[in-house]
This record gives sequence, structure tokens and C-alpha cells, in this order.
Amino acid sequence: AQSVTQLDSQVPVFEEAPVELRCNYSSSVSVYLFWYVQYPNQGLQLLLKYLSGSTLVKGINGFEAEFNKSQTSFHLRKPSVHISDTAEYFCAVSDQGQTDSWGKLQFGAGTQVVVTP
Amino acid sequence: DTAVSQTPKYLVTQMGNDKSIKCEQNLGHDTMYWYKQDSKKFLKIMFSYNNKELIINETVPNRFSPKSPDKAHLNLHINSLELGDSAVYFCASSQDRKVSYNSPLHFGNGTRLTVT
Repeated sequence: AQSVTQLDSQVPVFEEAPVELRCNYSSSVSVYLFWYVQYPNQGLQLLLKYLSGSTLVKGINGFEAEFNKSQTSFHLRKPSVHISDTAEYFCAVSDQGQTDSWGKLQFGAGTQVVVTP
Repeated sequence: DTAVSQTPKYLVTQMGNDKSIKCEQNLGHDTMYWYKQDSKKFLKIMFSYNNKELIINETVPNRFSPKSPDKAHLNLHINSLELGDSAVYFCASSQDRKVSYNSPLHFGNGTRLTVT
């Protein structure tokens, strides 16, 4: 079974400053990796996803994530945040192989980003 | 608009009541899911259906019963509601039977259930 750890429960950041949200995962097989964003009182929206290839993945709204296989991490970054980026961000993984967790999306506990002027 | 839509958005009810949440997707996806988000924002899968077949059934009280009349609809019926059932319930769908890079989850906007 896979697991996901988001290392920060809340990240306060000033507008136009950079932000990094940390995500580590563990699994006995290769995984698909995702970042989702949840704006207040809304559902989850896919920001970006990773399978293989280039370790830097670009997503929507100026976000990007870097995959590091040796550290089993998939950190999310944005070079300059806006007030509208205030939201909850979820890292998620799904096993590629046929394990008991195959096909299930396992979510981290979320990181709340609060952007202030 | 193409989307996953669920109703109602808010549901307030008393302990012991029975309630249903409805979900519909017009994305043409084969698989639909129910997730529960607790007060700490933790998301946990409850069920998934693929073309009306139950394929994921996590450890959930049997007071919760999903029903899928067709692959575009997945409803959640909850009997004898308890205080601990208060949460936000999300419906989601994916193109394929399993979540993958080419078949990520698409979520509805959630139903906030409050049991008093």
C-alpha cells in the first residue's frame, strides 16, 4: 500500500512571493503522482500530474512540481503567488502496479496556503 | 457544461434520519466514486462503481449504500444518520476502471452533510 505525507499543514505567504509545498510518498511499486487544489467551498481541481520522463512538470495557474525518485518526493512550487491562490492543496498518489491499492487515489492530509497582501 | 454535479450542496438533518445524495457526470467516464472529507480536510475513498459494478468497497458502515442506475449516475444513501457522519461528501469520476495518469479523478463540488 502506498502512503502520502504532506509536511506542512499550513503555509502563510505574502503576495508575489514564491511558495513550495512539500510532498513525500512511499510505495512498493511505481506510482502516478498528482496535485489537486481545493478552493473554499468547492471541489478538488487537478493542478498537474506525473508519470515519468522529465522530472519537472508544469501545471495550470503557473504551478510546477518536481519529482525526485531518490527522495520519493513531489514538491509543488509557484514562483509568485496571488491572493487567489489561497486554497487547500492535496498531493495524491496511485499505484501503477497491481497491488491492493491499485487504482485507488491516496491523498495526503493537505496543505493550506494563505496568501496575504 | 461538462462536469460532475452532485445535489444537494448542503444537507442538514437530525440523527436517525435517512438521506440520499445524488451524483451525475456527463464526461462519458466509466467509473464513479464517493469520497468522504472529514473536518480536518482528510479525504478517504468510500466506494467506486465501474459501469454499474461495485469495484471498491472500503471499510464503511453498512448504513451507507451506494446505488448506480447507470454509468453516469451514482447515488449515496445513508440510513440512521449519526453525528459522526457529518462531513463533506465528494462524488468523482474517472475515464477508466482505475485511476492513472491518463485517467485522473474529476470531482464534483461536494455535499456538506450536517447531522444534529
